[in-house]
Amino acid sequence: DTAVSQTPKYLVTQMGNDKSIKCEQNLGHDTMYWYKQDSKKFLKIMFSYNNKELIINETVPNRFSPKSPDKAHLNLHINSLELGDSAVYFCASSQVGRQPQHFGDGTRLSIL
Amino acid sequence: KNEVEQSPQNLTAQEGEFITINCSYSVGISALHWLQQHPGGGIVSLFMLSSGKKKHGRLIATINIQEKHSSLHITASHPRDSAVYICAVEGTSGSRLTFGEGTQLTVNP
Repeated sequence: DTAVSQTPKYLVTQMGNDKSIKCEQNLGHDTMYWYKQDSKKFLKIMFSYNNKELIINETVPNRFSPKSPDKAHLNLHINSLELGDSAVYFCASSQVGRQPQHFGDGTRLSIL
Repeated sequence: KNEVEQSPQNLTAQEGEFITINCSYSVGISALHWLQQHPGGGIVSLFMLSSGKKKHGRLIATINIQEKHSSLHITASHPRDSAVYICAVEGTSGSRLTFGEGTQLTVNP
């Protein structure tokens, strides 16, 4: 059973479109995260939710909107996609407080 | 300057060699994580530590809180260890991770 699953794995779309990436975890964790990995493989936190409540919101354009319908799901919606949004987006989850994070396999987003 | 610095950026070794990857950080932390990213892209948590030393198989992670430094060692390296190794620190105010730029390790047979 996949612990943290993201869909889709690949997403190719045109500039200006709106797209969503879904993330689900079956580990019973309270906290979920979205990370962006750029072309140089550098990872950076975007958002974190704890029990459906937003707790970390880095300096990310407001075209990016996370949504957590329940504590097992954290989806990422992106409006008006731009070339600079091309990256790999990772979802992760953990229990609260100094616990290892479990990562999904990533979603490679390519903007044409 | 990044809050988390790793060295070296790239490392090539022969099978069987002892590998060391270093991580220095400049902020107060509650824990330090070592992650592994394989060529296929998936990320796996190797260690989380806040003091001392941890060992798992051929991998050893150490941390010196006073010196704000951690090392990841791989004994008897193998080509399947080839991956990017990423150091990340967890701040004192929550579970936010700040990442180093990663070390690309290639182990040749």
